[in-house]
Amino acid sequence: ILNVEQSPQSLHVQEGDSTNFTCSFPSSNFYALHWYRWETAKSPEALFVMTLNGDEKKKGRISATLNTKEGYSYLYIKGSQPEDSATYLCAFIKVGTSGSRLTFGEGTQLTVNP
Amino acid sequence: EPEVTQTPSHQVTQMGQEVILRCVPISNHLYFYWYRQILGQKVEFLVSFYNNEISEKSEIFDDQFSVERPDGSNFTLKIRSTKLEDSAMYFCATHRGRNQPQHFGDGTRLSIL
Repeated sequence: ILNVEQSPQSLHVQEGDSTNFTCSFPSSNFYALHWYRWETAKSPEALFVMTLNGDEKKKGRISATLNTKEGYSYLYIKGSQPEDSATYLCAFIKVGTSGSRLTFGEGTQLTVNP
Repeated sequence: EPEVTQTPSHQVTQMGQEVILRCVPISNHLYFYWYRQILGQKVEFLVSFYNNEISEKSEIFDDQFSVERPDGSNFTLKIRSTKLEDSAMYFCATHRGRNQPQHFGDGTRLSIL
C-alpha cells in the first residue's frame, strides 16, 4: 500500500502571508509527483507535474520543489490572496504502472483571510 | 479550453440498482481514469483505460464495476448492483500522455439509499 501524506491538514493565513505545505511519498519506485488545486464545487486543476529529483517549478506566485531521494515535495505560495483558498492535493505515480495511476494524499485545505 | 464533462452531476439510486456514470473526455486524450472520493476520505483510484481496454484496476474495482467506451467518445462507469458504501463523488480524468497532468471532470455525486 502506497502512503502519501500531506501536512498540515488545514491552514489559515492572512492575505499577503507566504505559506508552504508538505507532501511525503515513498522514495522507492518513484515515477512522478503531481500537484492539484481543488476549489469547492469545482474539479481538481493541475498545477505541476514533477519528475526529476531537484525539480523546481513555478506558476505565478506558486512554486514547488521535489526531493525524490528523501520522498518529499514542498508547495509554496508567496503573498497569499483570498482566491488561493482551496484544497491542495499531491498525487504520486509509481514506476511500473501501465498508465498513470495517481495515489493521492489527503490534501491541505488553505483558507486565506482578507 | 477543452474540458472533461461528466453527467449526471448528481445521481440518487436505491441500493441494488444499476447506475451508469458518463464522461466525455477531451478529444485528443488517450488515457482515461475513474477515481472516487468517499466523504471525508482521500481521493482513490478505481481504474485506468487505454487503447480500448483496462490497463489497471484497484482492489475496489470488483465484478460489480465495469467501464467501456461504447461509441468512441463517451467513457462510462457502470456499477451493476449498488451498495450503500458506493456513495461517493466519482471523478473522470483524462490525459494525453504519461508525463502530462490529468484533467478532471466536475464529478458525479452518487447517493445510494
